[in-house]
Amino acid sequence: DAGVTQSPTHLIKTRGQQVTLRCSPKSGHDTVSWYQQALGQGPQFIFQYYEEEERQRGNFPDRFSGHQFPNYSSELNVNALLLGDSALYLCASSLKGAGGGQPQHFGDGTRLSIL
Amino acid sequence: AQSVSQHNHHVILSEAASLELGCNYSYGGTVNLFWYVQYPGQHLQLLLKYFSGDPLVKGIKGFEAEFIKSKFSFNLRKPSVQWSDTAEYFCAVNLPGYSSASKIIFGSGTRLSIRP
Repeated sequence: DAGVTQSPTHLIKTRGQQVTLRCSPKSGHDTVSWYQQALGQGPQFIFQYYEEEERQRGNFPDRFSGHQFPNYSSELNVNALLLGDSALYLCASSLKGAGGGQPQHFGDGTRLSIL
Repeated sequence: AQSVSQHNHHVILSEAASLELGCNYSYGGTVNLFWYVQYPGQHLQLLLKYFSGDPLVKGIKGFEAEFIKSKFSFNLRKPSVQWSDTAEYFCAVNLPGYSSASKIIFGSGTRLSIRP
């Protein structure tokens, strides 16, 4: 049973560039959330996708955008990269259900470094 | 806004010592509470969760946590730690009533180092 997979593992970009990160959810899951984890910090919620729509969003600028495909996989796009965007980007998946609180399964993350 | 505080940034213990990691959250209503663990080089894994019922929750690998509503706390405990418990531990909350997997608010984490 494949867990959450993310690609690429590592990425180096320069300021002003654009980047796309990819995530395949755990088999059977339909909801994908993205988090940014800066060094020494806990993950910060970016946004969540379900049924190919953004359902919730954290306190991140519009430079951060995403997409969910019919097969539930997802992309995170970041435009006009800043040095402060350097972080580990985590994807988490779960199955939509009533009541909330469904545990999320996390991928290994993409380490993004901005030079 | 909801927040999660983990006051211990780095804890160093010897094997067989008892562990308690503190976690406090700020939200007046009903919450779901989690502890996640990140072992070196691995992804975040769910250690245990509290939704309702018995406030003493048992998780994997001998960990447990106690929800004390009056103190807005959800401290993680283990009676006797092992070297393999060396990891980063994150306390997290989300609010029930939203759709599944609504955003999780994480604390800043506590790094646990176990001396062999």
